[in-house]
Amino acid sequence: NAGVMQNPRHLVRRRGQEARLRCSPMKGHSHVYWYRQLPEEGLKFMVYLQKENIIDESGMPKERFSAEFPKEGPSILRIQQVVRGDSAAYFCASSRDRATNEKLFFGSGTQLSVL
Amino acid sequence: SQQGEEDPQALSIQEGENATMNCSYKTSINNLQWYRQNSGRGLVHLILIRSNEREKHSGRLRVTLDTSKKSSSLLITASRAADTASYFCATDDKVIFGPGTSLSVIP
Repeated sequence: NAGVMQNPRHLVRRRGQEARLRCSPMKGHSHVYWYRQLPEEGLKFMVYLQKENIIDESGMPKERFSAEFPKEGPSILRIQQVVRGDSAAYFCASSRDRATNEKLFFGSGTQLSVL
Repeated sequence: SQQGEEDPQALSIQEGENATMNCSYKTSINNLQWYRQNSGRGLVHLILIRSNEREKHSGRLRVTLDTSKKSSSLLITASRAADTASYFCATDDKVIFGPGTSLSVIP
């Protein structure tokens, strides 16, 4: 049973380009969480999705950022017109049920570097 | 705002010593979880303690929870160099994470 898979592992973009980060949850998991981590800092919650639905996007910047979790395929975190401040590690986590009493399983993250 | 806050921010100890980290949170919770992160990797779940529990053990880990003080502690006994990592607490509401405690265990 493969763990949470994130790709790419590293992504380099120039300012103004788009970044698409993918996350395949563990088999049987229908809940996905996205987090952003800056160097030497903790994880900042961004968005929580369940299949085809955004449940909570209170941590998402209002502009340029969007997330989806389609019925088929991985969850996608999309950042349009990237800026240098978007450079960070983006982690995805999944759980079988809403994480209230469930532990999260994390991917290895995508390191986004904006030149 | 972040729900969990760990302290100290950084902790350096000798191998074999015990390490204690604390976490404070702001609102009522159903459970509190501790995670570990090795440099450049995702988080790994360590232990979950429910709001009606006061103490829980898992191997060399001991977690306490004081809901009246809205705080939890993680104790790692007989530390090893391999315990060097960052440790985070998270509460169940959106599983919000604090800034973490960076633990260095010196051989």
